[in-house]
Amino acid sequence: NAGVTQTPKFRVLKTGQSMTLLCAQDMNHEYMYWYRQDPGMGLRLIHYSVGEGTTAKGEVPDGYNVSRLKKQNFLLGLESAAPSQTSVYFCASSSGLAGFTDTQYFGPGTRLTVL
Amino acid sequence: SQQGEEDPQALSIQEGENATMNCSYKTSINNLQWYRQNSGRGLVHLILIRSNEREKHSGRLRVTLDTSKKSSSLLITASRAADTASYFCATDARYSTLTFGKGTMLLVSP
Repeated sequence: NAGVTQTPKFRVLKTGQSMTLLCAQDMNHEYMYWYRQDPGMGLRLIHYSVGEGTTAKGEVPDGYNVSRLKKQNFLLGLESAAPSQTSVYFCASSSGLAGFTDTQYFGPGTRLTVL
Repeated sequence: SQQGEEDPQALSIQEGENATMNCSYKTSINNLQWYRQNSGRGLVHLILIRSNEREKHSGRLRVTLDTSKKSSSLLITASRAADTASYFCATDARYSTLTFGKGTMLLVSP
């Protein structure tokens, strides 16, 4: 099992460009999450999903959109990138059997730079 | 916010020594989890302690939880260079997602 995978690993964008980050999990998990990690800020939740076809806003959702068309995939989109979105993005998944308490399994991260 | 706050922000010790890091939070929780992050990698779950538990062990890890003080501690005994990483606590309250602290950076020197 690959666990949680993220593509791409690195990306450089110019201000105003758009892109989509892909997260895939092969553990049949119901819940999936997108976080961003900035120096000194810890992990902050952007959006999450509790099942196929559902999405919800987290702590810092502005400037991002997400979709969960298939249970195993969770896409994070930036429609018009800004330098403030320079960060490392992590995807995670959990079974959902115990709600949000379940252990989360993280992907390796995507390092995004917006110039 | 119920975000956990780790203390200290950074810790430097020698191999073989014990490492203790603390987490404080603000509101009542259901459970508290500890995660490790090696440089440039994703987080890895270490241990979960429920609000009705006071202490839990897993290998060289010992976690305590004091709900009256809204705090938890993670003890790593007999540290190894491979324990060098950042450690995060994460708390969850009823019907809410996990909230992560800012982490403690642990450096274990040979």
